Amino acid sequence: DQQVKQNSPSLSVQEGRISILNCDYTNSMFDYFLWYKKYPAEGPTFLISISSIKDKNEDGRFTVFLNKSAKHLSLHIVPSQPGDSAVYFCAASASGGYQKVTFGTGTKLQVIP
Amino acid sequence: GAVVSQHPSWVICKSGTSVKIECRSLDFQATTMFWYRQFPKQSLMLMATSNEGSKATYEQGVEKDKFLINHASLTLSTLTVTSAHPEDSSFYICSANSGGVYGYTFGSGTRLTVV
Repeated sequence: DQQVKQNSPSLSVQEGRISILNCDYTNSMFDYFLWYKKYPAEGPTFLISISSIKDKNEDGRFTVFLNKSAKHLSLHIVPSQPGDSAVYFCAASASGGYQKVTFGTGTKLQVIP
Repeated sequence: GAVVSQHPSWVICKSGTSVKIECRSLDFQATTMFWYRQFPKQSLMLMATSNEGSKATYEQGVEKDKFLINHASLTLSTLTVTSAHPEDSSFYICSANSGGVYGYTFGSGTRLTVV
């Protein structure tokens, strides 16, 4: 049972444009959500997170939006840069982030120069 | 920021031998660490939760006698793959909750190849 889903396995975007990565979850106990960036043969790198008490969190070029009623979140990258090309994982946890994290299946983003 | 050091970064071993992977939190204490496994082109699957001073909690389907976890101190957790077989070849990653906005910090991963 995949509790966190990223339905788009890959995404290609032109440099300078907006990248939108989507994530859906099914477990209503999740209250803390994170996005990670991962290169091959490396551990994930934390990008941005959001608590369920918020619906938006912004950090530089990265913004995460949370729609609790739809159990959906998205990561916006503006403007996209070639260095953003990587696999992005959405993740979720319960109890404010202090329990185990459940990862989505990942979306491979390619930013075309 | 918080750093989690994982060692070795890659290892090749013969079938039937055991391999130990170390995960250290360098600048924070971690009462709980997590071990993940990633198969090619797949998500990170949680294997077990490592608790300092107590037994690890394994996810369903993970053989606890095969994947031995020891969390002897607040900064070190180890995963030992016992009697390794080629199907154990994978990318293993540890993480710890460093608190604050960073949430979970991940190690750089270990590529295990069993030949």
